[in-house]
Amino acid sequence: KAGVTQTPRYLIKTRGQQVTLSCSPISGHRSVSWYQQTPGQGLQFLFEYFSETQRNKGNFPGRFSGRQFSNSRSEMNVSTLELGDSALYLCASSLTGIQPQHFGDGTRLSIL
Amino acid sequence: GIQVEQSPPDLILQEGANSTLRCNFSDSVNNLQWFHQNPWGQLINLFYIPSGTKQNGRLSATTVATERYSLLYISSSQTTDSGVYFCAVDTNAGKSTFGDGTTLTVKP
Repeated sequence: KAGVTQTPRYLIKTRGQQVTLSCSPISGHRSVSWYQQTPGQGLQFLFEYFSETQRNKGNFPGRFSGRQFSNSRSEMNVSTLELGDSALYLCASSLTGIQPQHFGDGTRLSIL
Repeated sequence: GIQVEQSPPDLILQEGANSTLRCNFSDSVNNLQWFHQNPWGQLINLFYIPSGTKQNGRLSATTVATERYSLLYISSSQTTDSGVYFCAVDTNAGKSTFGDGTTLTVKP
């Protein structure tokens, strides 16, 4: 069974640009959660999607948005990138959100 | 929101030693998971343990939900056990709050 797949693995952008990250969950999993990991703030919850609906949201500005498609794949978008957005972005999937979460390898985003 | 505290923040062991990592949380939780993050950043799910005790090889975990803590035991540590160990708790489905982690270094 394939695991959680995140693309791309690495990304370099400049301030002011926007970026879209992709996450394909484990087959059959309908809940997809996104997290940001930085050395200073640790692992922080961004949002969670279930059946194409955002069900939970963390404390991030509106520049961070996401969506989920009917096949449960999810995308995360960050607009007007800032230096502080440099981070490892991790996606996790579970069957419905209350079962164990399984993480992808992450997308490492660097802002120049 | 809920607070998750892990201790110790750093731990250095000689190969073969045993260790106990602790996770305290400030409120009732639905779920608790332990993860290991390797040097490449991969987060591996070790245990899903909202209560009780589980064992998997050299690792075991115990959660006492009524007292709001969980323990991760590592026995006969190996260099490949090095990395950061995170405790994560859920109060809402799909939304985990992570502790700051325990960085474990196992020396040969």
